Amino acid sequence: ETGVTQSPTHLIKTRGQQVTLRCSSQSGHNTVSWYQQALGQGPQFIFQYYREEENGRGNFPPRFSGLQFPNYSSELNVNALELDDSALYLCASSLVGGGPQETQYFGPGTRLLVL
Amino acid sequence: AQSVTQPDIHITVSEGASLELRCNYSYGATPYLFWYVQSPGQGLQLLLKYFSGDTLVQGIKGFEAEFKRSQSSFNLRKPSVHWSDAAEYFCAVGSNSGGGADGLTFGKGTHLIIQP
Repeated sequence: ETGVTQSPTHLIKTRGQQVTLRCSSQSGHNTVSWYQQALGQGPQFIFQYYREEENGRGNFPPRFSGLQFPNYSSELNVNALELDDSALYLCASSLVGGGPQETQYFGPGTRLLVL
Repeated sequence: AQSVTQPDIHITVSEGASLELRCNYSYGATPYLFWYVQSPGQGLQLLLKYFSGDTLVQGIKGFEAEFKRSQSSFNLRKPSVHWSDAAEYFCAVGSNSGGGADGLTFGKGTHLIIQP
């Protein structure tokens, strides 16, 4: 059984650019959630995808968008990057709809630096 | 809205000593509570979770946590720490407002330092 994988591991972008981060969910999991973890903070929920549809969203602007594919892998896209977008981006997968009781299994994250 | 408070930013414990990490939550209904650990440069690993039933929950790596509804607390404990326990520990609460997934709400974390 493979765990959650994310790519790339590190990324450097400049302000105003766009970035795409990728996530492959754990085998058998059909729900993917994305979190942003700023330095010294706990992760913050960005959004969740289930059956290729956005299933819930945290307090993030529309320039944060996502996709989920039929194989349950997912992308996080961020447009018009700002300096404050510098963070560790974590992907988590869970079973069947990802309700609050479902355990979320986290990937190692993608470290994004915006200059 | 739900929230999680971890009052201790840093805790230093001697190897072999006992450990307690504090977590207080705010949530209107029965909470779904989790403790995760994050080693440097790593993602989050689940230590244990509580949904209902026995208020003392056993987890991996010798950790346990006790849910106390009257105190809105879910403190993490370990009787004897090892140097490999040095990491960042996060308490989290899961919720669902009914309008879709709300994800996990995390505390700011407690950085555990182990003294030899």
